[in-house]
Amino acid sequence: DTEVTQTPKHLVMGMTNKKSLKCEQHMGHRAMYWYKQKAKKPPELMFVYSYEKLSINESVPSRFSPECPNSSLLNLHLHALQPEDSALYLCASSRSSGANVLTFGAGSRLTVL
Amino acid sequence: GIQVEQSPPDLILQEGANSTLRCNFSDSVNNLQWFHQNPWGQLINLFYIPSGTKQNGRLSATTVATERYSLLYISSSQTTDSGVYFCAAPNTGNQFYFGTGTSLTVIP
Repeated sequence: DTEVTQTPKHLVMGMTNKKSLKCEQHMGHRAMYWYKQKAKKPPELMFVYSYEKLSINESVPSRFSPECPNSSLLNLHLHALQPEDSALYLCASSRSSGANVLTFGAGSRLTVL
Repeated sequence: GIQVEQSPPDLILQEGANSTLRCNFSDSVNNLQWFHQNPWGQLINLFYIPSGTKQNGRLSATTVATERYSLLYISSSQTTDSGVYFCAAPNTGNQFYFGTGTSLTVIP
């Protein structure tokens, strides 16, 4: 069982919908990450939160909006997405930064119609 | 950012065979990790190995940091080893860069 929990596992949404992906960890990790993975490609970093502050935004379009309400939770708010945004969205956490082990959740598979 | 390259891109093995996967990285790193992604998308951390050699059952990994490469050895492969193997390394911040992956298929 993974120690990083992501919900929902599957999400289908239209281009005008607003939805959110959720990620939770209770390992006391202080860095949390969102990755996007397209089929047959490696995960691509989207956002990094360090000590609940956004530290890295890899030029992600504003239709993706991250939020870190506390040290255990990470959300990704979705609005006005495009079909090409369909992908597996992976959340990860690590103790802090750099020389630490990344632990991933099982992912949320998003389909945009 | 760091460039991470993996080889081979695809590998098909008969059950019971051994294999070696390679990861080359473009810059010095203080962290190198190997992951296995199963067919359902779950990424499992196999090794945290910035240098040296580690073993875990049928799997072992070696990183030669001075020469900027890491190797993952799979011995006596099983069908459950199928999936995609990624290595990942961070830059000086929290940005972990993933290699392009090796897709492994183990046939009975």
